[in-house]
Amino acid sequence: DAKTTQPNSMESNEEEPVHLPCNHSTISGTDYIHWYRQLPSQGPEYVIHGLTSNVNNRMASLAIAEDRKSSTLILHRATLRDAAVYYCILRDGNQFYFGTGTSLTVIP
Amino acid sequence: KAGVTQTPRYLIKTRGQQVTLSCSPISGHRSVSWYQQTPGQGLQFLFEYFSETQRNKGNFPGRFSGRQFSNSRSEMNVSTLELGDSALYLCASSLAVAGGATTEAFFGQGTRLTVV
Repeated sequence: DAKTTQPNSMESNEEEPVHLPCNHSTISGTDYIHWYRQLPSQGPEYVIHGLTSNVNNRMASLAIAEDRKSSTLILHRATLRDAAVYYCILRDGNQFYFGTGTSLTVIP
Repeated sequence: KAGVTQTPRYLIKTRGQQVTLSCSPISGHRSVSWYQQTPGQGLQFLFEYFSETQRNKGNFPGRFSGRQFSNSRSEMNVSTLELGDSALYLCASSLAVAGGATTEAFFGQGTRLTVV
C-alpha cells in the first residue's frame, strides 16, 4: 500500500495561516493526492485534491512538490472550526489509503 | 441534496453474534466504500462496491462481507463478532467515473459498533 507520513499534531493561532505537511515518497504516477479532515464525531470531509499542479479552492490550497514526493495543505486563515484531524491520502481509483493524520489545534 | 445515510448510528452486540450495517449513498453515486476506524489502527479500508460488484477488498478476515443492491444501497455484515470488532464503521459514496481518483468521496457519520 502506498503510504503517507504526517506530523501527529500541530497548533496554530486563530486567523493565521497553517501549513500542514505530508510526505509520500512511494507515490506512483497514477496516485492522486487527496486531503480530508475529520471533526469529532463526524465522518471525514473532503478538503482538496490534486495530481501534479498546485490547486486552490474555497477551503484551502494544495502545494505539490515537483517530484510529487511531498505536499502541503495550506489553510489561509485558521478558524476555530478548522480544528480537526487532517488526513493526507493517496488515492488510486476508489480506494483510500489513510495515514494517521495530523491533529490540528487552533488557539483563539 | 441528502448526504450519505448510515443506519443504525449506534449498536451494541454480544461476542459471537452477527451484525448488518446499512449505507444509503448520495443519489446518483454508484460507488460505495466501507472503512473501519479504531483508535489503535486508524481508518482502514474494508471494501468497495460498484454496480453490485465488489471491486476492491482490504486486508480483513472473511467474517467481514458486504453487498450492494441495484439502487446502490450497500450493507456490510460481520459474523461471529469479536471484541476487537468494536469500532466506528464508515461508508463513503462517490461518482464512479473511470478510475475514480479525481472525484471526491462523501462520508456518512458512521455506525458505532460496540461488542461486549
